Amino acid sequence: DSGVTQTPKHLITATGQRVTLRCSPRSGDLSVYWYQQSLDQGLQFLIQYYNGEERAKGNILERFSAQQFPDLHSELNLSSLELGDSALYFCASSVDARGGEGPNEQFFGPGTRLTVL
Amino acid sequence: GQNIDQPTEMTATEGAIVQINCTYQTSGFNGLFWYQQHAGEAPTFLSYNVLDGLEEKGRFSSFLSRSKGYSYLLLKELQMKDSASYLCAVSAASGGSYIPTFGRGTSLIVHP
Repeated sequence: DSGVTQTPKHLITATGQRVTLRCSPRSGDLSVYWYQQSLDQGLQFLIQYYNGEERAKGNILERFSAQQFPDLHSELNLSSLELGDSALYFCASSVDARGGEGPNEQFFGPGTRLTVL
Repeated sequence: GQNIDQPTEMTATEGAIVQINCTYQTSGFNGLFWYQQHAGEAPTFLSYNVLDGLEEKGRFSSFLSRSKGYSYLLLKELQMKDSASYLCAVSAASGGSYIPTFGRGTSLIVHP
């Protein structure tokens, strides 16, 4: 158990719909990362938040957005869903001290499997 | 951008040793991670290298050569439970943060 929780575990929805995925980081971790993993693309970095602020953006579509709340939990919102959005969505957290101490290992949650029909 | 290459699949025998290679091209290199991922589960951290050389951790070791853009993960005394995907991830500095880019993973099959 990594200490990172994600809900829901599974989500089945239809094209055009909007969903929200939730993540609670490990106690004490300030950084949250979101990843998408599909069979043909591998693990793709979407976005990072640090202590409530957006820190880095990867290959995140405009239809997707995220935020990190004062209690440090994070939500990933996916809208106007398409069939190709079906994937495993992972959240990871790390300590990530500001100021260039170097990268830290990331602890991954169990993931949310999204199926768009 | 970053480019990470690792073999798609490898097979090995229980009790043997296997080496999984990873080559990368990146700017702002700040370290290389190896993660293990069983099918349908979350990746779990195995090792981290930032300096050249070998890091040993029990049955698993990881090597890095920054000048060659090369790393390998060495698994000794293979067990059936080591059958999993092994992800090489290169960390690069990006606007005050460190973002890992993951390779596609090497699927390791351990057979009796």
